[in-house]
Amino acid sequence: KNEVEQSPQNLTAQEGEFITINCSYSVGISALHWLQQHPGGGIVSLFMLSSGKKKHGRLIATINIQEKHSSLHITASHPRDSAVYICAALNSGNTPLVFGKGTRLSVIA
Amino acid sequence: EPEVTQTPSHQVTQMGQEVILRCVPISNHLYFYWYRQILGQKVEFLVSFYNNEISEKSEIFDDQFSVERPDGSNFTLKIRSTKLEDSAMYFCARKLTGANTEAFFGQGTRLTVV
Repeated sequence: KNEVEQSPQNLTAQEGEFITINCSYSVGISALHWLQQHPGGGIVSLFMLSSGKKKHGRLIATINIQEKHSSLHITASHPRDSAVYICAALNSGNTPLVFGKGTRLSVIA
Repeated sequence: EPEVTQTPSHQVTQMGQEVILRCVPISNHLYFYWYRQILGQKVEFLVSFYNNEISEKSEIFDDQFSVERPDGSNFTLKIRSTKLEDSAMYFCARKLTGANTEAFFGQGTRLTVV
C-alpha cells in the first residue's frame, strides 16, 4: 500500500519568501500530481510529473524517483498563494490517486 | 483546460434520504473518478469508471453507493440512504486516457447530512 507523506503540515510565510513543500511516498510510482485546494474547497491541478522538473510561472516542481521524493517550490510568494497544497501519487496509469494530507500555506503581506 | 462541472455545489439532506451528485465531464474523456474528502481529512478514492462500468472501487464504496453514466454525458454518484458520516466534499475527476495523463477535478459538491 502506498503511503504519501507531506511536510510541513502548516506553513506561514512572509510575502516574497521562497517556499518549499515536500512529499514522500513509500512505493514506486508512475507519476505524481501537485494540486492546489482553494479555501472554498475546489481542487486545481498544478503539475503532473514523472521525472525531473517542471516550471509554471512562479511554481516549480521536482521529483526524484529513486529517492521517492518530490518538492513544490514557490518563488516570490504572494498572499494569493495561500491555499492547501496536496501531492497525490499515481501507482500506475489507470489506478486512482493516493493523496497526501496536504500542506496549509498562509502567505502574509 | 476546461473544467469539470459538478452539481449541486452544496446539498443538505436528511439522514436516510437518497442523494444524486452529478458531474459533467468533457465528452471525449473516458476515465472518471469519484473522490471524497471529509472535513479536515485527506482526499480518499471512492470509485473509478471506464467504458460504462466500474473498474475499481475502494472499501468505502459499499452497497449504499452506485455510479452510472445514464445519458452518455452526465456521470452520477448516488448514495441510497445517507448517513451522518457521509457528510463530505465529493469530487469528480476525469482523465483523457488510462495512461499517465493528468487528472482534472471538478469544484466539488459539499454534502451535509443532518
